Amino acid sequence: DARVTQTPRHKVTEMGQEVTMRCQPILGHNTVFWYRQTMMQGLELLAYFRNRAPLDDSGMPKDRFSAEMPDATLATLKIQPSEPRDSAVYFCASGRSSGRGYNEQFFGPGTRLTVL
Amino acid sequence: AQSVTQLDSQVPVFEEAPVELRCNYSSSVSVYLFWYVQYPNQGLQLLLKYLSGSTLVKGINGFEAEFNKSQTSFHLRKPSVHISDTAEYFCAVTEGSGGYQKVTFGIGTKLQVIP
Repeated sequence: DARVTQTPRHKVTEMGQEVTMRCQPILGHNTVFWYRQTMMQGLELLAYFRNRAPLDDSGMPKDRFSAEMPDATLATLKIQPSEPRDSAVYFCASGRSSGRGYNEQFFGPGTRLTVL
Repeated sequence: AQSVTQLDSQVPVFEEAPVELRCNYSSSVSVYLFWYVQYPNQGLQLLLKYLSGSTLVKGINGFEAEFNKSQTSFHLRKPSVHISDTAEYFCAVTEGSGGYQKVTFGIGTKLQVIP
């Protein structure tokens, strides 16, 4: 049963610390999405990768957030320095894009981040 | 730009009663529409999708939705809910037929099924 995995599932840290969240997309998928979910804003797209290249990171605060795909099996989202307003659940999703038609996104279980 | 409005933040309903969760979208071009379900402490799971063709779409767990272009709506329905349907439901829209397909999600509707 292929699934998107995310680590850690929970993270509590203090303001100013660096936070790294990891995602392993489903094998064979070539698109990766990072979302942030909060009560106030709902689900927001932070970044989108296709074939490991970042195509859209317009939703990501550039001064403190960064997203990368070191290889096809790993996507990372880093926050440095973290702030209390970054507290949220961060979801990774992956899919297979052929460049046309509809491409379903499969979501991971999320990382619940609390910044004190 | 595309957008999604879910009119109800919470919907309580008794077990075995019917339910409708409302969704309206805004887009200047043709769209794909989706409903996702999120159970507590889990990620989102696709419930059903409208891509083209028949406007009545059937999904998993007995849910269905109807695409109404004139009213720009995509309401989700189930004729008889179960306790296990208690979850948060998200309507989503994407424009475009290829390449980059940015999905915009609604704020979510929490369905609470009362025994």
